Amino acid sequence: KAGVTQTPRYLIKTRGQQVTLSCSPISGHRSVSWYQQTPGQGLQFLFEYFSETQRNKGNFPGRFSGRQFSNSRSEMNVSTLELGDSALYLCASSLNREGEKLFFGSGTQLSVL
Amino acid sequence: TQLLEQSPQFLSIQEGENLTVYCNSSSVFSSLQWYRQEPGEGPVLLVTVVTGGEVKKLKRLTFQFGDARKDSSLHITAAQPGDTGLYLCAGAGSNYQLIWGAGTKLIIKP
Repeated sequence: KAGVTQTPRYLIKTRGQQVTLSCSPISGHRSVSWYQQTPGQGLQFLFEYFSETQRNKGNFPGRFSGRQFSNSRSEMNVSTLELGDSALYLCASSLNREGEKLFFGSGTQLSVL
Repeated sequence: TQLLEQSPQFLSIQEGENLTVYCNSSSVFSSLQWYRQEPGEGPVLLVTVVTGGEVKKLKRLTFQFGDARKDSSLHITAAQPGDTGLYLCAGAGSNYQLIWGAGTKLIIKP
C-alpha cells in the first residue's frame, strides 16, 4: 500500500511569488490535513479537507489556501510569498477525520529568498 | 486556546541511559498521540492513549496517559542511537482537531 506522496520535495522561491504544493493520500483515505513546521514551533495546523470540502481551518492568513479533488488528492497554494513562509509543509491523510491516526508524507521544504 | 507543552525541548544523552519526556496541558483531551519524526521525513505515529491512567508499552518505550487526561509521558529505557529523533505529542480535543506540542529533540550518543 503506497504511503502519502508529496511533491515537490524541495522548492526555492522569491518573495512575492506564489507556490502550489501537491499531496496524494493513502488509497481509501478521505481526510487530508496540511501543516506548517518550523524549528521550535512544532506543527501548525493549516486546514483539513474531507470529500472536497474544507472542514477545519487554522489561524493562517488568506494567502494560504487549499483544495481537494474527487480522488482525494489535495493541493495547497501560498500566494505573495513572504520570507517567514519558509518552512516544511507536511500533508497527512486519515480515513475519516483529522484526529484519527495520521499518516504523514515526507513534506515539501519551501525556502523563500 | 488549548496548549500542549512538551519538556524538555532538547535532550542529549549517552546510549544505555533512561529518559522521560513530558507533555502537559490544562485542557482535557479525548485521546493523545505520540509521534517520532526523523530528519527529512514526516512524523510517524508511535501510540495513541485514550483512557485516563492508561499505560502502553512498545518495546523499550512506555507511554502513560494521566488520570485526568491532561498530561502524558514517554519513558525510554536503555536508549539506543536509533531512538534519536523529534518526539511530538498531539492531543485530540472534543472536535477531534489535534493540538500539537512543540516537540522534544532527542539525541542518543553512541
